[in-house]
Amino acid sequence: SQTIHQWPATLVQPVGSPLSLECTVEGTSNPNLYWYRQAAGRGLQLLFYSIGIGQISSEVPQNLSASRPQDRQFILSSKKLLLSDSGFYLCAWSKTKKSSGNTIYFGEGSWLTVV
Amino acid sequence: GNSVTQMEGPVTLSEEAFLTINCTYTATGYPSLFWYVQYPGEGLQLLLKATKADDKGSNKGFEATYRKETTSFHLEKGSVQVSDSAVYFCALSYSGGSNYKLTFGKGTLLTVNP
Repeated sequence: SQTIHQWPATLVQPVGSPLSLECTVEGTSNPNLYWYRQAAGRGLQLLFYSIGIGQISSEVPQNLSASRPQDRQFILSSKKLLLSDSGFYLCAWSKTKKSSGNTIYFGEGSWLTVV
Repeated sequence: GNSVTQMEGPVTLSEEAFLTINCTYTATGYPSLFWYVQYPGEGLQLLLKATKADDKGSNKGFEATYRKETTSFHLEKGSVQVSDSAVYFCALSYSGGSNYKLTFGKGTLLTVNP
């Protein structure tokens, strides 16, 4: 069966410091990968998605970047964090097969507080 | 563009009460529809889904029917439990090339009291 893990689960970082959140998927190959953010009291916003190694699409301009160095690894980064980067970050994956109702599966999430 | 509108809540019910969380959508073509649940401090879990009109998704006593004529996918449960307290998200998926992306509603916080 497929599993998805992301870490760290909780992170408190000062403004201006770098960020690295990592996500890995097991039990599948060539998945689509996603990073979502859930700000306090708000819905989920898609930040990045990737359909293959080195292929990253950004949904919203921001202070963050994403990379996919390996097939099942997805990394969310920032060189200098802003207070507004605080939130709950969720990694997710889906199959690449074109079929209706393709489900997206989420990791456990990472709480980021920028102070 | 595609969008999802769901009742914002919060919704507070007593145990064994009937639950309805409304969800309507705007989309081109024929999206798939989902309900996800987020328990406190956790990620999102798929609760149920429907891929075409008149499909009914069901899981753990929850149900939702894909109504194309009213562009709705309301979540219902006949008798809620304290353990159902969570945030519920309605979502639709659409194909963008070879990837599938979800558009979410803003979520509805449900609190069930004993």
